[in-house]
Order: sequence, then structure tokens, then C-alpha cells
Amino acid sequence: QIQLVQSGPEVKKPGASVMISCKASGYNFKSNAITWVRQAPGQGLEWMGWISTYSGNTNFLENLQGRVTMTTDTSTNTAYMELSNLISDDTAVYYCARETGGAMTYFDSWGQGTLVTVSS
Amino acid sequence: DIQMTQSPSSLSASVGDRVTITCRASQSISRYLNWYQQKPGKAPKVLIYVASSLQSEVPSRFSGSGSGTDFTLTIRGLQPEDFATYYCQQTYSRPSTFGGGTKVEI
Repeated sequence: QIQLVQSGPEVKKPGASVMISCKASGYNFKSNAITWVRQAPGQGLEWMGWISTYSGNTNFLENLQGRVTMTTDTSTNTAYMELSNLISDDTAVYYCARETGGAMTYFDSWGQGTLVTVSS
Repeated sequence: DIQMTQSPSSLSASVGDRVTITCRASQSISRYLNWYQQKPGKAPKVLIYVASSLQSEVPSRFSGSGSGTDFTLTIRGLQPEDFATYYCQQTYSRPSTFGGGTKVEI
């Protein structure tokens, strides 16, 4: 079955960077883009960006531009999301999800989430 | 960016009730609208895609309708496992945006 397994929780100081991994299994990794969504404590869902696992093309939320990097390693079927210059507002659960693709895409499989806590 | 507004933000219901949640887009999004269910401490799970298509293995008591700017998620015969938060999402244009969520409580 399709699975996305994320790396464990992180505690970071303001100004630091965090990298989260998302290992996919159960399907052809290069067939579906990976998207990243975050959720601050008690808040709603925020789409962060998207990476094509086929071409490496990316698209990010405008207010994260310059701080977020998304990459993939097709040899290990793993996607990575790095967020730099962390601030307290970046404290959230971060999810990776598989996009179905096509014009009317949706997110059909999700990782379990990774809690990132930013605190001095 | 397209704004998605859900209503109500929360509701109380009983097992067996019919529940309706609405989602309004700030501009027309055709049928590029998905619905997710999220339980505490868990990742979201897709219920409905392209406004009215039921995701595989999702019970038929869930249904979606709408197009353009106004959409509805209906749960017919609410079950105990349906108490959760529901989000709409538009994928008409990037950035994809979500509604603020509707918490369905007992």
C-alpha cells in the first residue's frame, strides 16, 4: 500500500534550519509530485509548496520564498523539505502528501506529520 | 490568492443527524474543490475530490456538490467516527488554499 513516512520531531532555536524527510513506498515515486502542508498548533492547514519528483521543478508559497527548499532523492524515494531562518511562527506540524496530478489534483496520501518546535 | 471561507466554523450534532458544511471561494474555481477530514493528532484524509467524486473506501454517507464559488459537503446519518474537523481546499490555482475548517462535535 502507498505509504509516506516522515522523520521525527525537531526542536530548533530561532534562526536555525530544519530539514524533514518523507520516504515514499508502494508506488512509482517519480509518477506523483510531493506537496508540503503545515499546521500551526490549533490552526488550519497551510500549503507550503510542491516539487515534481520527475523534473525537480518546484513552486512555493510566496511568503516562504527564500527560506524554503524542496528536493528529492529518487534513488531512495525520499523527498526533503528544508526551512531556514526559523521563527516562532514556524512552530507547526509539517506534512508531506502525494498529489494525484493532472488538472484537478488532490492529496490522496499523507505522511504522519513531523512536529517542529521553534523555541529559544 | 483565492480565499476559501467555510461555515460554520463549528457545529454540534448527534449520531444519525444530517450535517451540511459550506465552502465559498473568493472567485470561481470551477469544480477544483476537495474535502478532507482530520481527526486530532492525525493527518488529513481526502473524502471528496473534484467537488463531488467520492474517494475510494470513503463511506457513501459523505457527498459533495457545487461548482463555481459555492460548495457543500453533506454527511447523511452522522456516525461516531465522523466527529472531526473538515477542510475544503481549492486547487484551481496556486497557491492551493484551504478553508479555515469546520469542527463537528457531539
